[in-house]
Amino acid sequence: KAGVTQTPRYLIKTRGQQVTLSCSPISGHRSVSWYQQTPGQGLQFLFEYFSETQRNKGNFPGRFSGRQFSNSRSEMNVSTLELGDSALYLCASSPDLTGTYNEQFFGPGTRLTVL
Amino acid sequence: DQQVKQNSPSLSVQEGRISILNCDYTNSMFDYFLWYKKYPAEGPTFLISISSIKDKNEDGRFTVFLNKSAKHLSLHIVPSQPGDSAVYFCAARTYKYIFGTGTRLKVLA
Repeated sequence: KAGVTQTPRYLIKTRGQQVTLSCSPISGHRSVSWYQQTPGQGLQFLFEYFSETQRNKGNFPGRFSGRQFSNSRSEMNVSTLELGDSALYLCASSPDLTGTYNEQFFGPGTRLTVL
Repeated sequence: DQQVKQNSPSLSVQEGRISILNCDYTNSMFDYFLWYKKYPAEGPTFLISISSIKDKNEDGRFTVFLNKSAKHLSLHIVPSQPGDSAVYFCAARTYKYIFGTGTRLKVLA
């Protein structure tokens, strides 16, 4: 079974621009979660999508948004980029909602650099 | 407010010895705990987990201990191998997973 894939793997943007990241979960997985990893901060939860609906959300500003398609693929969008948005963005999939299934499977991440 | 803390950013251990990685948490509502391992340029991979109703779970060289009264979680790796060198994250679950900041383990040959 193919793992979680994320595209692109690397991205360089400038302040004020917007960016869209893509995540394809493991086949059959219906839950997709997004995390931001920065040095010294660990993985910070952004949001979780399940059956095309956002089910849970972390403490990030409204500039961070996402969506999920009927095939469970998910996209994350960051508008009006700031320097502090430079991070590794990780996507994780699971067969079911967090709290129902116990493990998440992570993709390799997208490294976003904001100049 | 960091609900899950890994206070040791790094740890070096000799090959063949025991590695002990620690994690402290503050929220007594966490019902499930996991450890992930992360190599550079890869996403985290699941290592081992434990339910809040247990105090120990073992899988080969890896054992996780949970002390609910102390709100403390630890991962023991015995014996440690050079391939275990990676960043280890603990995570705790309510409706979402909350991760610690990670401990970089270096196993010296």
